[in-house]
Amino acid sequence: DAMVIQNPRYQVTQFGKPVTLSCSQTLNHNVMYWYQQKSSQAPKLLFHYYDKDFNNEADTPDNFQSRRPNTSFCFLDIRSPGLGDAAMYLCATSYGTEPINEKLFFGSGTQLSVL
Amino acid sequence: AQSVAQPEDQVNVAEGNPLTVKCTYSVSGNPYLFWYVQYPNRGLQFLLKYITGDNLVKGSYGFEAEFNKSQTSFHLKKPSALVSDSALYFCAVRDVVTGGFKTIFGAGTRLFVKA
Repeated sequence: DAMVIQNPRYQVTQFGKPVTLSCSQTLNHNVMYWYQQKSSQAPKLLFHYYDKDFNNEADTPDNFQSRRPNTSFCFLDIRSPGLGDAAMYLCATSYGTEPINEKLFFGSGTQLSVL
Repeated sequence: AQSVAQPEDQVNVAEGNPLTVKCTYSVSGNPYLFWYVQYPNRGLQFLLKYITGDNLVKGSYGFEAEFNKSQTSFHLKKPSALVSDSALYFCAVRDVVTGGFKTIFGAGTRLFVKA
């Protein structure tokens, strides 16, 4: 089945140690998103890619970066994780031709712990 | 600015009874409204959406939602709740200002269905 896959499911890192989360999709969607979700709160959009075009949210900290080397893969890099960055990170996709009315397809998320 | 509000943190209902999860919205222009469900330690799953047309929208797993323009509401409903419906439910609106790529989620409502 076509899907959005996130690895790893759980990630533990140390304070200040760079960490990378990965996302892959078999849906061939143009748009990939990264959301941060803390403690069952509302997911918060960090950034998205439309194809290779990167779009950063204004309030996303510089500590968060992203890469999309090809259509299928997208990475979230946290350069110096702080305790406040502990959260569930959700990757999502959408087709992109009519973004305003398209549903999002989510991966199962990566739960990041910062020690 | 686009926003949605979910006035209830938690809804409790007995199995077999009808359920309603409330959502109100504030948008400039036409609303593009969605409901998503999140099961424990999982990503979000699309339930249904309202773009235009009939005010009663039918979605997955027997859920439906009623769009009410005069009350700016988009409540999620199900005629007969199941224990397996217990989950976290998010109302969401697409942000037309940014071209629709940004989804703004409500704070979520946790639904408990008791056997």
